[in-house]
Amino acid sequence: DAGVIQSPRHEVTEMGQEVTLRCKPISGHDYLFWYRQTMMRGLELLIYFNNNVPIDDSGMPEDRFSAKMPNASFSTLKIQPSEPRDSAVYFCASLQGNNEQFFGPGTRLTVL
Amino acid sequence: KNQVEQSPQSLIILEGKNCTLQCNYTVSPFSNLRWYKQDTGRGPVSLTIMTFSENTKSNGRYTATLDADTKQSSLHITASQLSDSASYICVVRPNDYKLSFGAGTTVTVRA
Repeated sequence: DAGVIQSPRHEVTEMGQEVTLRCKPISGHDYLFWYRQTMMRGLELLIYFNNNVPIDDSGMPEDRFSAKMPNASFSTLKIQPSEPRDSAVYFCASLQGNNEQFFGPGTRLTVL
Repeated sequence: KNQVEQSPQSLIILEGKNCTLQCNYTVSPFSNLRWYKQDTGRGPVSLTIMTFSENTKSNGRYTATLDADTKQSSLHITASQLSDSASYICVVRPNDYKLSFGAGTTVTVRA
């Protein structure tokens, strides 16, 4: 298995632009997580899905952030409009049942 | 608020030497504790997992300990190698899927 796949790996955009991050979880995994990592705050859970249904989005910072999981093999995290303080590394992770979470390589977002 | 505190924040060791990283947590209820290794520019990768009843778990040169009574864990790296240079993150899972992450300890191994 290729593991969790994220795209793009790097994104540089200007303030006010829409940003879409993509994730393909490991096949067969029924949970998917979106995290944000910064030097100041470390890893923070933004939202997680179970069987494509959002379970907890209490970590989503503002209405500018939205996440969808239209099917078991794809999820997106969208920021609209983006702001410089959104600059961070965004990780997607997936797991099956009560097993280990596997993290993707991350998307490094820079908002100018 | 559930918290995970790690120490030291960073450390530098010579290749071949040992080191120990500390993790204190207040997460309750507690399901399991994992130590993750995160190389620069990559996602975290699990090294060890321990449940409430486990005191120690090894993965090669990595040995984790857990004292569930005092809510403390440690990760010991034996005979360090240059490839051990990374951030080590203590992660505690309560009874749901909302993990609590420590800030990590950055380990630098020098030749």
